[in-house]
Amino acid sequence: DSGVTQTPKHLITATGQRVTLRCSPRSGDLSVYWYQQSLDQGLQFLIQYYNGEERAKGNILERFSAQQFPDLHSELNLSSLELGDSALYFCASSVDPAAYEQYFGPGTRLTVT
Amino acid sequence: AQSVTQLDSHVSVSEGTPVLLRCNYSSSYSPSLFWYVQHPNKGLQLLLKYTSAATLVKGINGFEAEFKKSETSFHLTKPSAHMSDAAEYFCVVSRMDTGRRALTFGSGTRLQVQP
Repeated sequence: DSGVTQTPKHLITATGQRVTLRCSPRSGDLSVYWYQQSLDQGLQFLIQYYNGEERAKGNILERFSAQQFPDLHSELNLSSLELGDSALYFCASSVDPAAYEQYFGPGTRLTVT
Repeated sequence: AQSVTQLDSHVSVSEGTPVLLRCNYSSSYSPSLFWYVQHPNKGLQLLLKYTSAATLVKGINGFEAEFKKSETSFHLTKPSAHMSDAAEYFCVVSRMDTGRRALTFGSGTRLQVQP
C-alpha cells in the first residue's frame, strides 16, 4: 500500500458527461501528479501540482482540468467525455517536485460508453 | 530529449528460471533510471532506481539492474522467477525540467511466469 488513495475505483459514464476523480496524497507529500494509462498511448503524464499551485503540464486535453486544495488532496475533472477518454487514471505523490520516487495510487478506471 | 525503449512487450519464463527484461534509453544528460512494477488492478510500485551512484542497483523482491552507459542499457534481472513476479514492468527515464522531475515511461513488458 503506497499511502496514496484514489476514488472511485471504477467509473462508467456516457459520452458528453463530466466526471471528477479524487486523489489524496501520502501524508507529508506536497506534490501530486496525474497520469493517464491507455492501451494505445501507454502511460502519459497529464499535470502536476505542488502545494496548491500548478507546476507542470503534460499531454492534458483542454477538456480536462485539475486542482489541488489546501488540504493537499487533488481532483481531476474530465468533461465532454469521449469514447477515447476510457483509460486508467493514476494519481501519484512525492515529497517535492524534485524527489526521485513517486508513489502511485491504485488508479481509477474510467469507461465511457 | 529523452526516451526509453523496452525491447520485449511480453516475456514468459518458468518458475525458478532467470528473468531478463530489456531496456534501452536515450538521454541528452546523465540520466536517472527506474524500474516500476504494476500488478493487475494495482498502482505502480518502484522496484529500483539508478541515480549516478553504483552502476549495479539492487531493488526489492530480489530484482537488480545494471546501468551500462556504453550500451545505453538498464536491463532488469532476477536469478529465479516466482509466480508472484507475474506483472507488467516499466522502465522509466527521468530528468529535471524547470525544477521538477519529469518521468518518461517505456511501453511496458508483461512478464508471465509458468508453473
